[in-house]
Amino acid sequence: AQSVTQLDSQVPVFEEAPVELRCNYSSSVSVYLFWYVQYPNQGLQLLLKYLSGSTLVKGINGIEAEFNKSQTSFHLRKPSVHISDTAEYFCAVRNAGGTSYGKLTFGQGTILTVHP
Amino acid sequence: DGGITQSPKYLFRKEGQNVTLSCEQNLNHDAMYWYRQDPGQGLRLIYYSQIVNDFQKGDIAEGYSVSREKKESFPLTVTSAQKNPTAFYLCASSIWGGGTDTQYFGPGTRLTVL
Repeated sequence: AQSVTQLDSQVPVFEEAPVELRCNYSSSVSVYLFWYVQYPNQGLQLLLKYLSGSTLVKGINGIEAEFNKSQTSFHLRKPSVHISDTAEYFCAVRNAGGTSYGKLTFGQGTILTVHP
Repeated sequence: DGGITQSPKYLFRKEGQNVTLSCEQNLNHDAMYWYRQDPGQGLRLIYYSQIVNDFQKGDIAEGYSVSREKKESFPLTVTSAQKNPTAFYLCASSIWGGGTDTQYFGPGTRLTVL
């Protein structure tokens, strides 16, 4: 079974500052990794996913995440945040390979609050 | 526009009543999922379905039931057996890709038991 730990439940930051949201996972097999964002009272939207290949995954608006197999981490980074980035961010992991259903396990979420 | 719709957005029910949450998708996805979200606990899987007329229990299926009679629809019934039903419920769908598939989420239904 796999598990996900998001190390910070809340991250306050000022506008235009850089931010890192931390995610560690535990699994006995290879994994796929995902970051989702949730704005208040809405569903989740996919930001990034790591399936294979380059360990640095880039998304839109400067957002990126790096897969570190030795440290079993998939931290999310953004060099400069905006007020509109205020949301809850979820890291998720799924066991790789095979054709049977692979459960998507979510972390507890990190609430990012951007202050002016 | 393709997407997932959930209705209603807010739902109130009295203790002891069953209630059904709707989830419809027009993405032509085979797989559909129901999650429950509680503050500080992330998302927990209730049920999932790979194909029509088939579904499997997730981690917290007790007190819930589902049906999958049509590819585009996956309604969730919260029964009176669910001890703590107040939560935010999210429906998702995906292609069936062996793990690489992305799950797309609906806007959610907030259920409050009075």
